[in-house]
Amino acid sequence: QVHLVQSGTVVRKPGASVTVSCKASGYIFTDYSIHWVRQAPGQGLEWMGIINPINGNTAYAQNFQGRLTMTRDTSTNTVYMEVTSLRSEDTAIYYCARGISTGGWDYWGQGTLVTVSS
Amino acid sequence: QSALTQPRSVSGSPGQSVTISCTGTNSDVGAYNFVSWYQQRPGKAPKLMIYDVTKRPSGIPVRLSGSKSGNTASLIISGLQADDEADYYCCSYAGSSSSVFGGGTKLTVL
Repeated sequence: QVHLVQSGTVVRKPGASVTVSCKASGYIFTDYSIHWVRQAPGQGLEWMGIINPINGNTAYAQNFQGRLTMTRDTSTNTVYMEVTSLRSEDTAIYYCARGISTGGWDYWGQGTLVTVSS
Repeated sequence: QSALTQPRSVSGSPGQSVTISCTGTNSDVGAYNFVSWYQQRPGKAPKLMIYDVTKRPSGIPVRLSGSKSGNTASLIISGLQADDEADYYCCSYAGSSSSVFGGGTKLTVL
């Protein structure tokens, strides 16, 4: 049974950084890409980026260039997503999701609420 | 990239059919057959309903279908049920490993 389990709620001050983890189980970790998607309160979904667990290759949305880093640990089947220089607009629920083909994500983590507030 | 364009809301009565459109450009929807649709209920993670324009994951009923013409993709829900009431998002591959979402559509079952 496939599961993506994310780390818990965090609160950060503006200018700080945050790292959210996503631990995969129930499938071969290196067979599927992992994407990150966020959703600000009352807003729509926003694609952030992708990591290929085989080689760690990443691609990020232009909106996050320079502030976003995704890494993976194949020994623990865990993907990490770090956002730096946080601002209030980064307050959102952050989701990881498993990619199937180029056009869909079939399993999602439960979401991690990141609140940026002074 | 700019977000894909979806109607903010659609509605229908039980048993009817509704169509949710998703308009992009010839750099995303029009360029690739990699459009997916997600259902999201309040407080829950999105759920994959359609991928690769027309494919249904296991467990998704056949009364949900997807199509694409030019730069516009569509999600068709036939035999509308009260349980279909939710937000729906389209998403398209946009090249260079990137993806872009639509703004979301609230489906109301009257």
